[in-house]
Amino acid sequence: KQEVTQIPAALSVPEGENLVLNCSFTDSAIYNLQWFRQDPGKGLTSLLLIQSSQREQTSGRLNASLDKSSGRSTLYIAASQPGDSATYLCAVAPNEKLVFGKGTKLTVNP
Amino acid sequence: NAGVTQTPKFQVLKTGQSMTLQCAQDMNHEYMSWYRQDPGMGLRLIHYSVGAGITDQGEVPNGYNVSRSTTEDFPLRLLSAAPSQTSVYFCASSYSGTAYQFGNGTRLTVT
Repeated sequence: KQEVTQIPAALSVPEGENLVLNCSFTDSAIYNLQWFRQDPGKGLTSLLLIQSSQREQTSGRLNASLDKSSGRSTLYIAASQPGDSATYLCAVAPNEKLVFGKGTKLTVNP
Repeated sequence: NAGVTQTPKFQVLKTGQSMTLQCAQDMNHEYMSWYRQDPGMGLRLIHYSVGAGITDQGEVPNGYNVSRSTTEDFPLRLLSAAPSQTSVYFCASSYSGTAYQFGNGTRLTVT
């Protein structure tokens, strides 16, 4: 059974800091991996999708990497801002279904 | 495109009542799924569909029914609501190999 773990569960940083969120999964047989952002009381917003054949994807200040062989992905956020405060969720797709981690709650302090 | 639309946004039910959570997408996505999100448990898959007329169970299907008569719609039915079904429900859709898009959720309370 695929399991997804996100460490740390919570992270608090000062504004302007570069940071890394971690995601690990137990089964490397995946089609893709997706990072989401969730604001309190809101739905999930897709940030980045990495196909299994790719190593990384970038969007603005965000960079996500994928190492299938080791079962790891990282989400790098450059020059963090208070508006980045949210919960970040990692999900892997072994097929048409997503398996989620429990998320990392990020707080960026002004 | 409106994306993934869920209705209602909030609902309060009494134990034993039934209701249908609506989900519609206008992107011609083949895959649709329902998740529930509970504190400490994360998002768990209830039911999913890979196309019209095809549905299957996810991790926590008990107490829920689904059908997919059209590509656009994927309603989730609670047959006899129980307090354990108090949760936030999310519908999601995607096309093969593309990013999943989520609706804004339905907050359900069962008293």
